[in-house]
Order: sequence, then C-alpha cells, then structure tokens
Amino acid sequence: EADIYQTPRYLVIGTGKKITLECSQTMGHDKMYWYQQDPGMELHLIHYSYGVNSTEKGDLSSESTVSRIRTEHFPLTLESARPSHTSQYLCASSPSDRDTEAFFGQGTRLTVV
Amino acid sequence: AQTVTQSQPEMSVQEAETVTLSCTYDTSESNYYLFWYKQPPSRQMILVIRQEAYKQQNATENRFSVNFQKAAKSFSLKISDSQLGDTAMYFCASWFSNEKLTFGTGTRLTIIP
Repeated sequence: EADIYQTPRYLVIGTGKKITLECSQTMGHDKMYWYQQDPGMELHLIHYSYGVNSTEKGDLSSESTVSRIRTEHFPLTLESARPSHTSQYLCASSPSDRDTEAFFGQGTRLTVV
Repeated sequence: AQTVTQSQPEMSVQEAETVTLSCTYDTSESNYYLFWYKQPPSRQMILVIRQEAYKQQNATENRFSVNFQKAAKSFSLKISDSQLGDTAMYFCASWFSNEKLTFGTGTRLTIIP
C-alpha cells in the first residue's frame, strides 16, 4: 500500500468557508499532483509540483491554490468554497523517474452546501 | 497536443470470461510510458500494469496483459478469467515528456456473477 495520505476523507462545508485539503507522502517523491474527479469519474489535473517551492497550474482552471514548502506536504486551499467546488479531489505523488508510476491517496470527497 | 483516449465508457462481462479495454493515444514522441490504473468503487486508485514504449514485449501481470501497438498508438488491457473484484473504473494513462500524467476518460467495468 502506498504511503500517501489525504485528510479529511469526507468534508461537508458551507458556502464561503475557507478550507484546506491535506496531502502528505512519506516516500520522498519530488512530484506531487492534485486531480479533480467529476461525477462521471473523469480526472482533471488542477495543480502539480516538481519539488519544494515549485507549483504549476494544471489543465483544468481551478480557484484553488497550493503550496509546497516541504517535500512531503502538498496542501490545497479554497479561500471561499462554493457549491461548484463540490467534487472528489485526488492527490498523487511520483519520483522523478518517468518509468515509475504515480501513487494515489484515497481522496477527499468535498461537498459545499 | 498529447492525448489519451478511451472510447468505451462502460463494459460488462460474465465472471470468468475475458474482456479487453481499449486505449489509444496521440504523441509525436518516441519514448514514453503507458499505464493502466484501476479505481474500485470508493477505493484508492492503484496501478494495474505498466508498459515502456521502447520495449516491444507486451507487459503481463498475472491475469492482466496489454496489447501494445506502437505504430497504431494503441494500448489495450486484457483481463483474463475475470473476477468480481475486477469491477472498477479503469483508466489508461501516460507519461509524456511534459512530465504530467495524462489520463483517459475511463471505462467502467462491471463483472457479472
């Protein structure tokens, strides 16, 4: 089992609240990713990082922000949650070598009411 | 643009039968890596099988094997002797040189008892 953890697993929160989704990995991986998974299950890359102090926006525009102050930690923050942010968020990490797969956390299911 | 396409949104098969999931991709690169991931209902995404583009031999992992046709840019997954635990979303994915793991839209596979 991969050593990548997401908390919380489930979150129901009111509109306008600030939230942070946590993602940590203990494998020393340089690369980390956030994906948003819609109800049809399609995965959309919203943020990625190649290492400490490196963050990039993904293919899908997102109002969320990320930070990478430590190798093992890649939190995602929504300053003001809206119902349109309701989704499943998956965090993943991988080493620098492309011949090694990415490892995924269990996901956070966010519901904004 | 580098893309990964899965044209079968849903499939179902009787237990113990063989099923093949299709995946095509588009890239001008010669060296890349291809993956099949499995996401069981409400569970973590895990790697099923991996293929390196410069290797001509098709990868095999127990009941799972791939048919990699580089010229046709095709990467199908064959599941032999299917089991109830194989019921899941299956995603085809690839590392291209842009260092982002690109996913297809997924195939929902149901194994019927």
